[in-house]
Amino acid sequence: DGGITQSPKYLFRKEGQNVTLSCEQNLNHDAMYWYRQDPGQGLRLIYYSQIVNDFQKGDIAEGYSVSREKKESFPLTVTSAQKNPTAFYLCASSHGDETQYFGPGTRLLVL
Amino acid sequence: AQSVTQLDSQVPVFEEAPVELRCNYSSSVSVYLFWYVQYPNQGLQLLLKYLSGSTLVKGINGFEAEFNKSQTSFHLRKPSVHISDTAEYFCAVSEPTGANNLFFGTGTRLTVIP
Repeated sequence: DGGITQSPKYLFRKEGQNVTLSCEQNLNHDAMYWYRQDPGQGLRLIYYSQIVNDFQKGDIAEGYSVSREKKESFPLTVTSAQKNPTAFYLCASSHGDETQYFGPGTRLLVL
Repeated sequence: AQSVTQLDSQVPVFEEAPVELRCNYSSSVSVYLFWYVQYPNQGLQLLLKYLSGSTLVKGINGFEAEFNKSQTSFHLRKPSVHISDTAEYFCAVSEPTGANNLFFGTGTRLTVIP
């Protein structure tokens, strides 16, 4: 059963804490993406990776970091430098036909 | 730079009535166009896409969209909506070359009224 999984579904962060959001895909896609969604706004690109061991900053990369050590995994770390982390985070992947497929999302809340 | 405008933030419509959700984009090059649907607390699901060829694109759940290059529009339509169509709809654009990054509109909340 192919798809994209994100975990956890809900995540709570304390002030000054780093937290990591997981994104895994078994679609054999080369490219993976992280988006942030805020109420009343569209999705904004945080980071993307077109190939293993390579990634690029998107429009709002400050306060975030990523790694791409395996083709199927693209974890996102929300660092303490991100002062307004409360949002819905969506991971996506694509291969060849330019269509991005999305995971179910992780909602990050600040305690 | 690319941008996407969804003119209506909210669209209420009665069940079984037709609906059109508007999307305009700005780009100096040829583009790929997409419509996604998002149900509450879920990820985005692809409704339909335009890459090339026929300007009328049919998607899932009875939706269709028409690419109009001269008006730089890609409006989404459905002839008869159901309660289950209540959701947020996003229009997005990408360029055929480069990093395949998607640029999203701010979304349109479709509410179907019984």
